Amino acid sequence: GENVEQHPSTLSVQEGDSAVIKCTYSDSASNYFPWYKQELGKGPQLIIDIRSNVGEKKDQRIAVTLNKTAKHFSLHITETQPEDSAVYFCAASRSQAAQKLVFGQGTRLTINP
Amino acid sequence: DTGVSQNPRHKITKRGQNVTFRCDPISEHNRLYWYRQTLGQGPEFLTYFQNEAQLEKSRLLSDRFSAERPKGSFSTLEIQRTEQGDSAMYLCASSLTVYEQYFGPGTRLTVT
Repeated sequence: GENVEQHPSTLSVQEGDSAVIKCTYSDSASNYFPWYKQELGKGPQLIIDIRSNVGEKKDQRIAVTLNKTAKHFSLHITETQPEDSAVYFCAASRSQAAQKLVFGQGTRLTINP
Repeated sequence: DTGVSQNPRHKITKRGQNVTFRCDPISEHNRLYWYRQTLGQGPEFLTYFQNEAQLEKSRLLSDRFSAERPKGSFSTLEIQRTEQGDSAMYLCASSLTVYEQYFGPGTRLTVT
């Protein structure tokens, strides 16, 4: 079955700097890759996603890149702000199947003022 | 608020008791998912409904777990004879397409 590895497990950056979180997946049939932000005591919030027919997607300060050949994808957050502090999860799924998401282990991002 | 809602938000129960959680998806979302999340880990898939049909169940879903979605609207997840290992956050998500899944706030279960 699918396995998703996420790195780093913790990341601390200065406010205003950029943060990058990387994930690799094992199932070459996976074609949908969402990213979630989870704050303490809350459910995961979908922040951006990418499908396998594109290599990059951007939404304001957040961007995601996908390398299907290498089976890895990354989340980039620019001009980080204190409210970006949270746990971020990557996930992968086969949209043509049951669409179940397989999640990475999470990255705790801390933005230092 | 028109997001996914889950009740109760917290549940403390004694080992061996039965518990039931409820999930109300976003209106018109025909796909509904249950996940379980333990501390420091990502959510793990449990089961998936399309309308009222349960289409997939994870091997994590032992015989003590049962989920239903009568009439394709809200869903319930029941755990019978709870064990301490069942302590976790139980998350529900819904979607309209095969893509974006929107999660509820979760039900935190503590088994003492």
